[in-house]
Amino acid sequence: GENVEQHPSTLSVQEGDSAVIKCTYSDSASNYFPWYKQELGKRPQLIIDIRSNVGEKKDQRIAVTLNKTAKHFSLHITETQPEDSAVYFCAASIKGNTGKLIFGQGTTLQVKP
Amino acid sequence: GAGVSQTPSNKVTEKGKYVELRCDPISGHTALYWYRQSLGQGPEFLIYFQGTGAADDSGLPNDRFFAVRPEGSVSTLKIQRTERGDSAVYLCASSPLAGVSEQFFGPGTRLTVL
Repeated sequence: GENVEQHPSTLSVQEGDSAVIKCTYSDSASNYFPWYKQELGKRPQLIIDIRSNVGEKKDQRIAVTLNKTAKHFSLHITETQPEDSAVYFCAASIKGNTGKLIFGQGTTLQVKP
Repeated sequence: GAGVSQTPSNKVTEKGKYVELRCDPISGHTALYWYRQSLGQGPEFLIYFQGTGAADDSGLPNDRFFAVRPEGSVSTLKIQRTERGDSAVYLCASSPLAGVSEQFFGPGTRLTVL
């Protein structure tokens, strides 16, 4: 069935280093790939998203890359800061244009000062 | 402006009871989604409304779960004969457009079934 796999499940980096989180998806019709950040006890918040007609998108220290052929996409955070510590979820739209999202299992990012 | 709100923030109930969870989307948002998030997991899709109608309810786990959005704004998720396995955070999200666009999440309702 429809599936999104996310790796790693936990990631610990030193402040100032880069962090990379990777996701793969199964539905070749997926065309929208958002990334959400969720702090403990808080709601998920969108940090960046990409559509299938674009291979890369950048917003300050955050970038996302998409490889439609391989059906995988990645989140890159540069110059990490302690406030980047949170759980990050990738997601993929299912069945083209319905808006239904399938989420990955999440990555707990810890940035050590 | 106001974001998505959900009430109650916490709900504790006994096995077998009926519960209703409410979602107030951002004003004017056409699409509304319900997700369920278990501890340590990503949100799991339950149902999607486009206006008043349920466009996709394929994620509802069984017929104990039902959701309505009678006037195309507020939505209520209803769970009958609750089971301990229903315990989770129930998240609501809304989106300005039908179809693929950014979803804005509410704070969730933490449901605990004893």
